[in-house]
Amino acid sequence: QQQVKQSPQSLIVQKGGISIINCAYENTAFDYFPWYQQFPGKGPALLIAIRPDVSEKKEGRFTISFNKSAKQFSLHIMDSQPGDSATYFCAASVSGAGSYQLTFGKGTKLSVIP
Amino acid sequence: DAGITQSPRYKITETGRQVTLMCHQTWSHSYMFWYRQDLGHGLRLIYYSAAADITDKGEVPDGYVVSRSKTENFPLTLESATRSQTSVYFCASTRSSYNEQFFGPGTRLTVL
Repeated sequence: QQQVKQSPQSLIVQKGGISIINCAYENTAFDYFPWYQQFPGKGPALLIAIRPDVSEKKEGRFTISFNKSAKQFSLHIMDSQPGDSATYFCAASVSGAGSYQLTFGKGTKLSVIP
Repeated sequence: DAGITQSPRYKITETGRQVTLMCHQTWSHSYMFWYRQDLGHGLRLIYYSAAADITDKGEVPDGYVVSRSKTENFPLTLESATRSQTSVYFCASTRSSYNEQFFGPGTRLTVL
């Protein structure tokens, strides 16, 4: 059972464009939604995260939009740059469960072309 | 240097051999995790540990064994490696009061 569904699998965006990656979850107990960025040959690193008490969080060119009723959240990368080319993973967890386990989506490979 | 390290970074082994992947963190984080990353599957949790001597299964634990005698170390052992265990393995850790997981650089394991 895949609890976090991520789309698209791959994305090609022109430099300066907007990259949008979507995730949907099933478990209504999830209350922490991070996005991780992974460059080739490296481990994933936290990019930005949101909790369901807000509908949007922005950090620089990166924005998470959260729709609790639809059980969906998305990552928007404004003014996409070639340096943003990486694989992006959404994830979700239940804070109070005590295990801090993250359930990951399958990832989106973003390519930003000049 | 502070952080989370994994060794070896690359490993080639044969079917049936025992392999141990090492993970070491210098932050004294309570929680540690092992994931495997495969194309089309993303990151899947193998085992996790809440503290020394406390471990629990994740989504794909079969064929793997873990131990945690010290807070800073969390080795992962493949007791009898199979080709299906060819993957990239990541170790991660987090403080008990935060959700952010910090990942190591990964170990690329090939089982022939």
